[in-house]
Amino acid sequence: AQSVSQHNHHVILSEAASLELGCNYSYGGTVNLFWYVQYPGQHLQLLLKYFSGDPLVKGIKGFEAEFIKSKFSFNLRKPSVQWSDTAEYFCASRTLSGGYNKLIFGAGTRLAVHP
Amino acid sequence: EAQVTQNPRYLITVTGKKLTVTCSQNMNHEYMSWYRQDPGLGLRQIYYSMNVEVTDKGDVPEGYKVSRKEKRNFPLILESPSPNQTSLYFCASSSPGGPVYEQYFGPGTRLTVT
Repeated sequence: AQSVSQHNHHVILSEAASLELGCNYSYGGTVNLFWYVQYPGQHLQLLLKYFSGDPLVKGIKGFEAEFIKSKFSFNLRKPSVQWSDTAEYFCASRTLSGGYNKLIFGAGTRLAVHP
Repeated sequence: EAQVTQNPRYLITVTGKKLTVTCSQNMNHEYMSWYRQDPGLGLRQIYYSMNVEVTDKGDVPEGYKVSRKEKRNFPLILESPSPNQTSLYFCASSSPGGPVYEQYFGPGTRLTVT
C-alpha cells in the first residue's frame, strides 16, 4: 500500500533557526505532493504543492520544498522560523485509487517555536 | 467566500446515541470527503463521494455512514457511537482531476464519546 512517512513527530526550535521537516513517499509512479499546515485550533491549509517541473517549490509564508525523485522525498524547509510558525505540518501524496484521486497523509510533525 | 462549513464544532455524547455531523461547501465541488485525525496517525479517510448519490468507503469506514443527496452537503452519520470514535473530524471538498488538485478543509468537529 502506498504510504507517506514523516519521521520527525515533534520538533522544537528557537526563533530564527532553520527548519527542515522530512517527508518520504512510497509510490513509484507519477506523484503529486503537498504540504499542509494546521495552526492550533484551525483547519488544514495548503502550504505548497508539487505537480511537475521545477523540483524546488515555493509556497506561502516563506516555506519551500524540494522534490527529490531518487530519494522519494519532499522535505519542507524554511530558512528562519518565527513563533507564528508553531503548528502541525502534514505531508500528503495524491494517488489514483479506484479511478479517483485520493490524498494519503503522513502522521504529521508538530513544530514548536520558542521566542 | 469559498468555504467548507461543519456543524457542530464540538460535541460530547454518550455511547449508542445516534448523531450527525453536517458538512456543506459553496464551491460547487463534485468531490467531498470525511477524515478523522488522531494523534500520531495523521488524517485517515472515512468515506468519500464523487458526486450526488455516489459514495464509497475510505480507509476507516467502520461505524460510519454518509449520504450525498445534494451536491453541496455531505453529512457524516454515527448510528451508534463508541468511545473509539472520539476524534477530530474534518470534511473536505475539491474538484477531481485537473491540473490543480487541492482539497479545501472545514474547520473540524471535535467529538467525544463517553
